[in-house]
Amino acid sequence: DAGITQSPRHKVTETGTPVTLRCHQTENHRYMYWYRQDPGHGLRLIHYSYGVKDTDKGEVSDGYSVSRSKTEDFLLTLESATSSQTSVYFCAISDSDRGPSGYTFGSGTRLTVV
Amino acid sequence: EDQVTQSPEALRLQEGESSSLNCSYTVSGLRGLFWYRQDPGKGPEFLFTLYSAGEEKEKERLKATLTKKESFLHITAPKPEDSATYLCAVQAASGGSYIPTFGRGTSLIVHP
Repeated sequence: DAGITQSPRHKVTETGTPVTLRCHQTENHRYMYWYRQDPGHGLRLIHYSYGVKDTDKGEVSDGYSVSRSKTEDFLLTLESATSSQTSVYFCAISDSDRGPSGYTFGSGTRLTVV
Repeated sequence: EDQVTQSPEALRLQEGESSSLNCSYTVSGLRGLFWYRQDPGKGPEFLFTLYSAGEEKEKERLKATLTKKESFLHITAPKPEDSATYLCAVQAASGGSYIPTFGRGTSLIVHP
């Protein structure tokens, strides 16, 4: 989607290895979010950021860490990947935490942990 | 705890056959209700925000409505290109976080 890109789009990794997913935006939005989407669960928030170096946990944060050193980049790290972290990961951005325009989502990263 | 339930889980329609998708919610004060469309292999795409009971929003063949307990996404004379998963999310007015809670979605298939 215009203004937000995720990389890589697909990744296969082995159990126990660290993995980093990248979200890059060109909209200069303050808020960035990482979600995972699994059948039967819908979208669940992992972590979010409300500014450079300002982050907070979501409902499924165990096993994940994030970093935001620049406005445009939000990194999600799986410290030691497990099979339960096989999922599709979406990054989202917004210009306000309470505004009317909803989120803009990236195209997703499909991660498979074998 | 905020809850969002979407029904049905899946819906198959013939082209031109109008129908509605439901999103029922339980939140401690509604700040906003959002509808998104998600195509296979892509991220959700924002459609509408509704704020208060009685409000309606329209876009092409879609109309979203809101009551105090639920929202409906009405699809009038759907076309095959309307096939997608439709997600609902609610944002609570209370509490320190404005992070919305998402429903599991309704998968819509429109047959030509």
